[in-house]
Amino acid sequence: DAGVTQSPTHLIKTRGQQVTLRCSPKSGHDTVSWYQQALGQGPQFIFQYYEEEERQRGNFPDRFSGHQFPNYSSELNVNALLLGDSALYLCASSPLRGGTDTQYFGPGTRLTVL
Amino acid sequence: AQKITQTQPGMFVQEKEAVTLDCTYDTSDPSYGLFWYKQPSSGEMIFLIYQGSYDQQNATEGRYSLNFQKARKSANLVISASQLGDSAMYFCAYTRGSARQLTFGSGTQLTVLP
Repeated sequence: DAGVTQSPTHLIKTRGQQVTLRCSPKSGHDTVSWYQQALGQGPQFIFQYYEEEERQRGNFPDRFSGHQFPNYSSELNVNALLLGDSALYLCASSPLRGGTDTQYFGPGTRLTVL
Repeated sequence: AQKITQTQPGMFVQEKEAVTLDCTYDTSDPSYGLFWYKQPSSGEMIFLIYQGSYDQQNATEGRYSLNFQKARKSANLVISASQLGDSAMYFCAYTRGSARQLTFGSGTQLTVLP
């Protein structure tokens, strides 16, 4: 049973560039959430997708956008990168209905903005 | 907005002993869930245990148990028989009803000593 996968593992970009991060949910899960974790802090919720639509959004600017595909995989896009966007980006998946709403996380993508 | 507080930035425990990691939350929601995650230095968030606000009994998962005191709004994690591999950052997280949006505390760095 494959868990949540994310790519790439590491990424280095410069200020002003754009980046796309990718996530494949755990088998049987159709809801994908993205979190940003700055160094030394707890993760912060960015947004959540199911049925290919953004359903909830945290306190992040419009530079952060996403997409969900029919196979439930998801992308996180960040435009006009700032130094403060350097962080570990975590993807989590969960089943839409039933259970304890537990979210299972992937290994993360570590983004460095220079 | 819900607030999760973890007051112990760092904890040390001797191998094979038990340790309690504290978590308090502030909410007026009647329905909510509380989670504990473990984050090793590799970065992946590993789900440990879940407690629903309406659950009558404290949750247990192997060596992990959750000491849920609803009136005091606390959800402390107890790890019994600590192992060296338990050394990691531990996060308490809250979700409101079926919102599926996790709010994390600041974490506790646990170090297990041989």
